[in-house]
Amino acid sequence: AQSVSQHNHHVILSEAASLELGCNYSYGGTVNLFWYVQYPGQHLQLLLKYFSGDPLVKGIKGFEAEFIKSKFSFNLRKPSVQWSDTAEYFCAVIPRGSLGNEKLTFGTGTRLTIIP
Amino acid sequence: KAGVTQTPRYLIKTRGQQVTLSCSPISGHRSVSWYQQTPGQGLQFLFEYFSETQRNKGNFPGRFSGRQFSNSRSEMNVSTLELGDSALYLCASSSPGPPYTQYFGPGTRLTVL
Repeated sequence: AQSVSQHNHHVILSEAASLELGCNYSYGGTVNLFWYVQYPGQHLQLLLKYFSGDPLVKGIKGFEAEFIKSKFSFNLRKPSVQWSDTAEYFCAVIPRGSLGNEKLTFGTGTRLTIIP
Repeated sequence: KAGVTQTPRYLIKTRGQQVTLSCSPISGHRSVSWYQQTPGQGLQFLFEYFSETQRNKGNFPGRFSGRQFSNSRSEMNVSTLELGDSALYLCASSSPGPPYTQYFGPGTRLTVL
């Protein structure tokens, strides 16, 4: 079974700082990878996803993530954060080639607090 | 296109009662998954339905059950509620065909007293 680790539980940054949130997964086969964001009081929203091709994927709101297969990692980055990026961020993985019945396995989440 | 909708948004129940939560997927999505979100356990998979059939199930007791209707709407039922069932219950619908992407609803916040 697959698993996901997010080692940063709570990250505090000042506005304009650069961001990198770590995500590592464990699975014997190929996977599809996702980052979801949950803003305070709002529902989980898809930030970006990786299925195949270019390992550097760009998402909404200036976020990007890089899939490094050899490291089983899919770290989320943003060059300059804003106060509005304050939220909880979840990395998730699903086996590729599934019939659509596979579950998304989530990491425990990273709470990001941006100080104005 | 309307997103995933869930009703009700908030529920307060007492121990021993049962509850039914409802989810309407994005139009054209036939797969619906349910997750439980708690501060201690994070997001945990409950089950997934497609064409009225449960295709996958997580590690939850039999008190948690679900079903899906012919219009792809889904319901989740929890019987004999326990205090530990207090959580945010999330429904997600999957885009048809690979690669499958799950889109989440706002959730139902269940509080068990």
